[in-house]
Amino acid sequence: ELKVEQNPLFLSMQEGKNYTIYCNYSTTSDRLYWYRQDPGKSLESLFVLLSNGAVKQEGRLMASLDTKARLSTLHITAAVHDLSATYFCAVDARTGANSKLTFGKGITLSVRP
Amino acid sequence: NAGVMQNPRHLVRRRGQEARLRCSPMKGHSHVYWYRQLPEEGLKFMVYLQKENIIDESGMPKERFSAEFPKEGPSILRIQQVVRGDSAAYFCASSPGVAGQYFGPGTRLTVT
Repeated sequence: ELKVEQNPLFLSMQEGKNYTIYCNYSTTSDRLYWYRQDPGKSLESLFVLLSNGAVKQEGRLMASLDTKARLSTLHITAAVHDLSATYFCAVDARTGANSKLTFGKGITLSVRP
Repeated sequence: NAGVMQNPRHLVRRRGQEARLRCSPMKGHSHVYWYRQLPEEGLKFMVYLQKENIIDESGMPKERFSAEFPKEGPSILRIQQVVRGDSAAYFCASSPGVAGQYFGPGTRLTVT
């Protein structure tokens, strides 16, 4: 059974500083997704990582995937308050055409002045 | 360019009643997924459907839960005889069949 672990589960960040959060998973997969969720809202797709070594950047966020280590990182540059939210990674346990996402528990980021 | 639509957005049911949650996928998407999110948890896969077919229901509870995606109309997640433990946010996602699932706004079910 595929397991996805995120750590830390909660991170208090200071405005202007850099941080990295992690997503580990237990079985082979080369499809990993990062989503953002604001309280009471749906999931907003941030990044789709489809191969080993994939790196995607959007604004202050950069995500990368190491399929050999079964690890994805989300790097935050110069944190700002707008980044406060819960961030989920999800791994696609695709078998043939059957796709389903296994989510981590999420990391709640809080940016303080 | 409408996204994934779900209704109702909020649903309150008393214990023992039935809950019906609807999901209309994005235009052109024939793959629908249902996920459940309990408070303070990540999303848990429930079921994957294509038109008129259940492809993978490995995440569905064995009793009281069913899902369909008819040839015409939205996908329906049905929960019979709801209990307090069914209170959660239920998200639907759709996909064109290649990488990426797009999530709807969710239905927040409260069982009283």
